[in-house]
Amino acid sequence: DAGVIQSPRHEVTEMGQEVTLRCKPISGHNSLFWYRQTMMRGLELLIYFNNNVPIDDSGMPEDRFSAKMPNASFSTLKIQPSEPRDSAVYFCASSLGQFNQPQHFGDGTRLSIL
Amino acid sequence: QKEVEQDPGPLSVPEGAIVSLNCTYSNSAFQYFMWYRQYSRKGPELLMYTYSSGNKEDGRFTAQVDKSSKYISLFIRDSQPSDSATYLCATPGGNQFYFGTGTSLTVIP
Repeated sequence: DAGVIQSPRHEVTEMGQEVTLRCKPISGHNSLFWYRQTMMRGLELLIYFNNNVPIDDSGMPEDRFSAKMPNASFSTLKIQPSEPRDSAVYFCASSLGQFNQPQHFGDGTRLSIL
Repeated sequence: QKEVEQDPGPLSVPEGAIVSLNCTYSNSAFQYFMWYRQYSRKGPELLMYTYSSGNKEDGRFTAQVDKSSKYISLFIRDSQPSDSATYLCATPGGNQFYFGTGTSLTVIP
């Protein structure tokens, strides 16, 4: 079975540019999570969706961050405008159910903002 | 106090050793506990999933939860170089999913 698929795997861009990260969850999973991982703060939950509806976006750091899930098989995380402090690895994960079920992670997008 | 605390290590052991990885958590209402393994430049992968107190064994891996002390452990028997990775404990609570910061493990051949 295909796992969670993220693209791109790496993104290098200049400060101020718009960045769009993409995620395809595991088929049949109804919850989707976006995380950011840094050495200093570890894994931080940014936002999660249940049945394509955003449930909690309290982890989104600023209004520059936005996420959408137009259908059950696709989600995007957008940063506009990007800043150097946004540099991190961004992970998407999906699960059956919400938080009491294990989450399955993609391999992440390594984002560098110059 | 963070919801989940984990010693970051790094931990370095010889091949064949027994490894003990530990986390503490703050909220006695937490009931589900997970261990994830993360290889370099990869996403975390679920290793163990336990509910409430007690032990769960899967091959060389044993997860242990002690709710009285709010302590969770992962034991690796007969450690192998392929076990070299970062191990993260995790638990859901309310509308959040709390991860430890991860313990980096190196198993030396």
